[in-house]
Amino acid sequence: GAVVSQHPSRVICKSGTSVKIECRSLDFQATTMFWYRQFPKQSLMLMATSNEGSKATYEQGVEKDKFLINHASLTLSTLTVTSAHPEDSSFYICSALTGAGGTGELFFGEGSRLTVL
Amino acid sequence: AQSVAQPEDQVNVAEGNPLTVKCTYSVSGNPYLFWYVQYPNRGLQFLLKYITGDNLVKGSYGFEAEFNKSQTSFHLKKPSALVSDSALYFCAVRDIGAGYSTLTFGKGTMLLVSP
Repeated sequence: GAVVSQHPSRVICKSGTSVKIECRSLDFQATTMFWYRQFPKQSLMLMATSNEGSKATYEQGVEKDKFLINHASLTLSTLTVTSAHPEDSSFYICSALTGAGGTGELFFGEGSRLTVL
Repeated sequence: AQSVAQPEDQVNVAEGNPLTVKCTYSVSGNPYLFWYVQYPNRGLQFLLKYITGDNLVKGSYGFEAEFNKSQTSFHLKKPSALVSDSALYFCAVRDIGAGYSTLTFGKGTMLLVSP
């Protein structure tokens, strides 16, 4: 099946610094990627929809200035957590949509564990 | 709106016994239904999906799921559980009729298979 690579898998940073997480579709082009956040033992919460060449669409309650999303190419979307604080510590997962519209299939990255000290 | 309910936080089953993980959904249009499995500190792995056709869908690792439109359910099943099946399972729905391209996930069900 299709492969989505997420990097880094784990990152530890100091409070106040910014962290960038990359999501790449390795063997297909993804016009749409999604970023999720997952708290321990909880479900995935959709943060934003990333569309290549346009601004991301953020879900209600997600600060767009805090979580910067850039979808610069058909194979790469990045999530930058700006001025990170301990409450931003979480597991972040991206997914990429193959095909167009609602019939495409979603493939997920392996996730990135962010720990803010 | 689209939503998914997984009524059980945890399911316990002995190895070799059949297992069922429950899922019900709500959509305004036609549902695309999915099951994913997540191992600790890992992303989601696709198990199976229902779009149209046969209501019984077979997927990876011996799992299957049955789509029941009248009960709006899509329960995950396996005839004989393995200890290695222990993981977190997510049911998800996409409402094609409403134009959604993303998935809405259930809260997840932890499956524990004892030796």
